[in-house]
Amino acid sequence: GAGVSQSPSNKVTEKGKDVELRCDPISGHTALYWYRQSLGQGLEFLIYFQGNSAPDKSGLPSDRFSAERTGGSVSTLTIQRTQQEDSAVYLCASSSPGGLNYGYTFGSGTRLTVV
Amino acid sequence: DAKTTQPNSMESNEEEPVHLPCNHSTISGTDYIHWYRQLPSQGPEYVIHGLTSNVNNRMASLAIAEDRKSSTLILHRATLRDAAVYYCIGRTGAQKLVFGQGTRLTINP
Repeated sequence: GAGVSQSPSNKVTEKGKDVELRCDPISGHTALYWYRQSLGQGLEFLIYFQGNSAPDKSGLPSDRFSAERTGGSVSTLTIQRTQQEDSAVYLCASSSPGGLNYGYTFGSGTRLTVV
Repeated sequence: DAKTTQPNSMESNEEEPVHLPCNHSTISGTDYIHWYRQLPSQGPEYVIHGLTSNVNNRMASLAIAEDRKSSTLILHRATLRDAAVYYCIGRTGAQKLVFGQGTRLTINP
């Protein structure tokens, strides 16, 4: 597609439930990133996929968070046993091969509310 | 990534130039300086990046100090749509971008 697509755009879930957030990057972009942004805060890095390399999971806040990227394209971020502090906007970005001199293209995000 | 320092907020008037400063005194010789901005209720968008020379594109200009310890993003003629949070990031190689708090730019009509 023309841009990075994220779904759903909004998700309200009950505390303790699992949620899955989807990211469809720009076709041909080998790098994919997940960030989250709590209300009024900056962007917090979560995880980074680059081609077939092992993902950089250094930003995942707990073992309740996991992500996978199938076929080098679509990525799913899963949050198990959601907590109220997980409420945030989850942003996905992708970038071209190499990444050094190419900007990130971000999606519009998924706003997650845990009640 | 190199640590960057930006003012928390700035204000300017419509149709006037805006100069957004960024200090990055610990930047290494191979770190690129990237600027992104985030409009309200949207994901960040790429603005511009550079290494040593000043850079221009349709959105903005980037002026990099000779010692590379600071840079300035220049919006030549601000519009109300330029109101956003502007992030300056020192990027090491192809490493992930690490966003700070940025500068919240307000444009007065």
